[in-house]
Amino acid sequence: DAGVIQSPRHEVTEMGQEVTLRCKPISGHDYLFWYRQTMMRGLELLIYFNNNVPIDDSGMPEDRFSAKMPNASFSTLKIQPSEPRDSAVYFCASRASRGENTGELFFGEGSRLTVL
Amino acid sequence: RKEVEQDPGPFNVPEGATVAFNCTYSNSASQSFFWYRQDCRKEPKLLMSVYSSGNEDGRFTAQLNRASQYISLLIRDSKLSDSATYLCVVTLLNRDDKIIFGKGTRLHILP
Repeated sequence: DAGVIQSPRHEVTEMGQEVTLRCKPISGHDYLFWYRQTMMRGLELLIYFNNNVPIDDSGMPEDRFSAKMPNASFSTLKIQPSEPRDSAVYFCASRASRGENTGELFFGEGSRLTVL
Repeated sequence: RKEVEQDPGPFNVPEGATVAFNCTYSNSASQSFFWYRQDCRKEPKLLMSVYSSGNEDGRFTAQLNRASQYISLLIRDSKLSDSATYLCVVTLLNRDDKIIFGKGTRLHILP
C-alpha cells in the first residue's frame, strides 16, 4: 500500500513567492495533519482535518498560511507571500479513526522548503 | 508551560548500555501516549504505544505515570542502530483528537 505522499520533496524559492505544498493521505484515513519542523521549535502542529473539515488551525502562524482539503485524497498547504523564516520541513500525516492502530500517525517524507 | 516537554539531549551512550528518557505533559486530560522515532532527515515513525500498565517490546520498555504526568522509555542493550531522535507524543482525545509532539531527545550510541 502506498503511504502518505507529499510533493515537492524539496523547494527553493525567493522571498515573496507563493509556495504550495501537496499531500495525498493514505486511502481510508479520515484525519490529516500538517506539521512544520525546525531545529529550534521541533515539530509544530499547524492544522488538522477530519473528514476534509478543518478542526483546529490554531497552529497556523499567520494569515500568509492557508490549507485546504477539497476531497479525502488531497490537501494543500499554501504560503503567500513566503518569507525566509518559513524555511523548514513540512510534514503531512494521516491516521484512521477506526480499525487497528487508530492512534498511529503515518507521515509523508516531508517537503523541505528553503526561502531565500 | 509547554504541553509536552522532553530533555533535548544529546545523550551519548556506549553501545550495550541502558538509556532512559522521560517526557512530561501538562494537560491532565491527555488520553493516549506514544513514542516515535525519527532518523536524521527522515519522517517520524511510531516506535511504540504507551499503556497505563506499562509495556515492553523487545529491548524497549515504556511506562506511564498519570499521577505525575510523565512517560518514560527505557532502551536496554543499546545498539548503534538505536541512534535517532525519540519523540514523545500525547493525544488529547477530548479536544477533537489533537496530537502533540515533544521536541524530541537525540540519542547517539557510541561504538
